[in-house]
Amino acid sequence: ETGVTQSPTHLIKTRGQQVTLRCSSQSGHNTVSWYQQALGQGPQFIFQYYREEENGRGNFPPRFSGLQFPNYSSELNVNALELDDSALYLCASSSDREGVSGANVLTFGAGSRLTVL
Amino acid sequence: AQSVTQLGSHVSVSEGALVLLRCNYSSSVPPYLFWYVQYPNQGLQLLLKYTTGATLVKGINGFEAEFKKSETSFHLTKPSAHMSDAAEYFCAVSEGSYNTDKLIFGTGTRLQVFP
Repeated sequence: ETGVTQSPTHLIKTRGQQVTLRCSSQSGHNTVSWYQQALGQGPQFIFQYYREEENGRGNFPPRFSGLQFPNYSSELNVNALELDDSALYLCASSSDREGVSGANVLTFGAGSRLTVL
Repeated sequence: AQSVTQLGSHVSVSEGALVLLRCNYSSSVPPYLFWYVQYPNQGLQLLLKYTTGATLVKGINGFEAEFKKSETSFHLTKPSAHMSDAAEYFCAVSEGSYNTDKLIFGTGTRLQVFP
């Protein structure tokens, strides 16, 4: 079984630009969550997607948005980038189906490191 | 509101020594508690989790943690450290079974292991 894959692994943007980060969930998983991990900090919950709809959101402004596709992959979009958006963005998938590997436990990808100049 | 406090941002031990990483939580509902490990340039890997039942939880790589409700603690231990244990460790709490994907993480503890 494949794990969670994210792309790109690294990217550099300038203030005011927009960025899209992509995530392929682990096989059999139907839920995707996104986390932001600033340098030296623990991850912070951005939002979760289930059945292609946002299903819970953390304390992040609306310029952070996302999508989930029918194949359960997901995108995180950030508009009007600010310097403080520089961070490692982690995608995690899980399943609400008992018996599926990783049911009700998050499986994380390696992250996309975003630098905003 | 839930929160997690990890005491000690850095812990150093000798190879073969006991590892103890401290975690205290605050939760208004019965919590689910987790420990994750993060190696350089990698995502987080689940070490162990507590949901309900037995308060002593065994995880991967010889780690275990004990849920102590009276102390609101969930400390991580390993009897004998190995060089490969050097990494960043995160304690996390969720709102019980309500949403196990929405985790509140601590700020992490970096474990160094000396030969």
